[in-house]
Amino acid sequence: DIQMTQSPSSVSASVGDRVTITCRASQNINSWLAWYQQKPGRAPKLLIYAASSLQSGVPSRFSGSGSGTDFTLTISSLQPEDFATYYCQQANSFPLTFGGGTKVEIK
Amino acid sequence: QVQLVESGGGVVQPGRSLRLSCAASGFTFSSFAMHWVRQAPGKGLEWVAVISYDKINEYYADSMKGRLSISRDNSKNMLYLQMNSLRPEDTAVYYCAGGFGELSWFDPWGQGILVTVSS
Repeated sequence: DIQMTQSPSSVSASVGDRVTITCRASQNINSWLAWYQQKPGRAPKLLIYAASSLQSGVPSRFSGSGSGTDFTLTISSLQPEDFATYYCQQANSFPLTFGGGTKVEIK
Repeated sequence: QVQLVESGGGVVQPGRSLRLSCAASGFTFSSFAMHWVRQAPGKGLEWVAVISYDKINEYYADSMKGRLSISRDNSKNMLYLQMNSLRPEDTAVYYCAGGFGELSWFDPWGQGILVTVSS
């Protein structure tokens, strides 16, 4: 199985801050990576797919980069509605696996 | 609009069975692979199973393999998950989600349905 390791597990930030979350795969997954945002009591929402493609309707302050084993989700200027938990997910091979999540909290 | 609505959850005793349903609308259901993803209380996301758009392929997570059966009815825009021999560790919110293929990211998602396995 491909292990997905996210860091940090939590981050405290202020509105307007730049936030970067990293995700490392235990083996090469090329660009088969997605990022999701989840708010309490809600289903996850797809933000980024194929490592760097922005899902329709997602604000441009979200961006993704990386390939192979190392990936990054960046929020360029944190907004109040961005406080949530973020997950990465690999789609390279079965079983499909997620990172452990990164909780973005208000500083 | 695009919508997935799960049903069939609730409280079930260990060792018993439960069938979850997912009703799709607002998109061409028969063109999408369909997945189940679960989330234990306070925990992260775990992929459970997928069925291809044409019902030919099915894949399961090892944690539930042998106890699960995924199926779909494209004429009714319905997805199902039959869960047998349930264990307390199967307690979770179960989401149905669409994918462009069996190996895929997930969009759209349902709102989720809680399954509690407890005596």
